[in-house]
Amino acid sequence: AQSVSQHNHHVILSEAASLELGCNYSYGGTVNLFWYVQYPGQHLQLLLKYFSGDPLVKGIKGFEAEFIKSKFSFNLRKPSVQWSDTAEYFCAVNNYNQGGKLIFGQGTELSVKP
Amino acid sequence: EAGVVQSPRYKIIEKKQPVAFWCNPISGHNTLYWYLQNLGQGPELLIRYENEEAVDDSQLPKDRFSAERLKGVDSTLKIQPAELGDSAVYLCASSPVASGRAGGGELFFGEGSRLTVL
Repeated sequence: AQSVSQHNHHVILSEAASLELGCNYSYGGTVNLFWYVQYPGQHLQLLLKYFSGDPLVKGIKGFEAEFIKSKFSFNLRKPSVQWSDTAEYFCAVNNYNQGGKLIFGQGTELSVKP
Repeated sequence: EAGVVQSPRYKIIEKKQPVAFWCNPISGHNTLYWYLQNLGQGPELLIRYENEEAVDDSQLPKDRFSAERLKGVDSTLKIQPAELGDSAVYLCASSPVASGRAGGGELFFGEGSRLTVL
């Protein structure tokens, strides 16, 4: 069965530190890739997405992610985090050629200390 | 533009009682999803509708869970009877492009309905 793995359950950083959250998936076919974010008390929302083309995609609030097909990875990065980035981050993979189910990782909770 | 609306936001019931959750998707979004999110976990798909048709309900525990989307707009998810293990957040989402198609997978989520079963 297809699965999505996020490497870190909880990450704690100080403001201005760099961030990289790992995401790996198990499916070998054509996929669409997403990072969703849930700020405290808010609903899940899209941070960035990859469908095709340039494997380095940019999202909102200075986030970016790189799709490395050979490694089945889609890691999220930000050069300098802010306190307002404190949230839970979910990687998700959509294998639209195989039924189209969007599968989420277990999430990474990011805490940024001011 | 109004987002996905869910109600109730919170529900506390005793085990064996029934419960229902309601969802109103974003206008024009033909695809509607119900996800289950347990504490510390990512959302897991329960059922996906394209218009009125349930196109993926393979993860819906059909012995106690049911869902409907009459007229292809609002949807209701019901649990009867509820068990202790059903305590979770039930998320509704909608999308303009079905996740089963190229370019799909961008979902718009509601705030969720948090269920506590005592």
